[in-house]
Amino acid sequence: QVQLQESGPGLVKPSQTLSLTCTVSGGSISSGSYYWSWIRQPAGKGLEWIGRIYTSGSTNYNPSLKSRVTISVDTSKNQFSLKLSSVTAADTAVYYCAEATASARDAFDIWGQGTMVTVSS
Amino acid sequence: QSVLTQPPSVSGAPGQRVTISCTGSSSNIGAGYDVHWYQQLPGTAPKLLIYGNSNRPSGVPDRFSGSKSGTSASLAITGLQAEDEADYYCQSYDSSLSGSRVVFGGGTKLTVL
Repeated sequence: QVQLQESGPGLVKPSQTLSLTCTVSGGSISSGSYYWSWIRQPAGKGLEWIGRIYTSGSTNYNPSLKSRVTISVDTSKNQFSLKLSSVTAADTAVYYCAEATASARDAFDIWGQGTMVTVSS
Repeated sequence: QSVLTQPPSVSGAPGQRVTISCTGSSSNIGAGYDVHWYQQLPGTAPKLLIYGNSNRPSGVPDRFSGSKSGTSASLAITGLQAEDEADYYCQSYDSSLSGSRVVFGGGTKLTVL
């Protein structure tokens, strides 16, 4: 049973870079036809997809965030990471990492518990 | 403004049937992309409820069903229970001139009366 766990600073200053890591346990990040995504949710609002990375290392980003986002994978640590640059208060949200599998027709079938990130000086 | 449109709220009494709509366009649902549905209980991460328009993951009760037609999709919940009170989100994929991305509906809050 694959499990995901987000980690990273809960407070980031405006204009700085937000960095989060998602650790995959119970399975290998580099096996199977999976991709790994970051999704965020501001308080009281809906879900916003940030981007994804395939096991091959190729990435896709939300066009609205593309200029500020980098998603990478570290197979040796079974982790993938998110970097979001030049953050503002609008980036304050709960950030989730999630796995999508071909067997679930690319739906996000496993989610991390989420980590709250506040952008404030 | 979400790419996929859901009603902000729906409600029903225990035992009743409710439906939640998800309206898209020719660049997402209408283009043939799958629709998935998630249930989010307060303070928790979303949970996959329906994938590939109408398939239930193992462990999801058959009270939940999904369908898709044209540029829209629907989630139906029969035999409503108090534990079904949650936020529900549809999700698909959108491909347009502005780029391609995973998209979510704005979410629907289900209240069990």
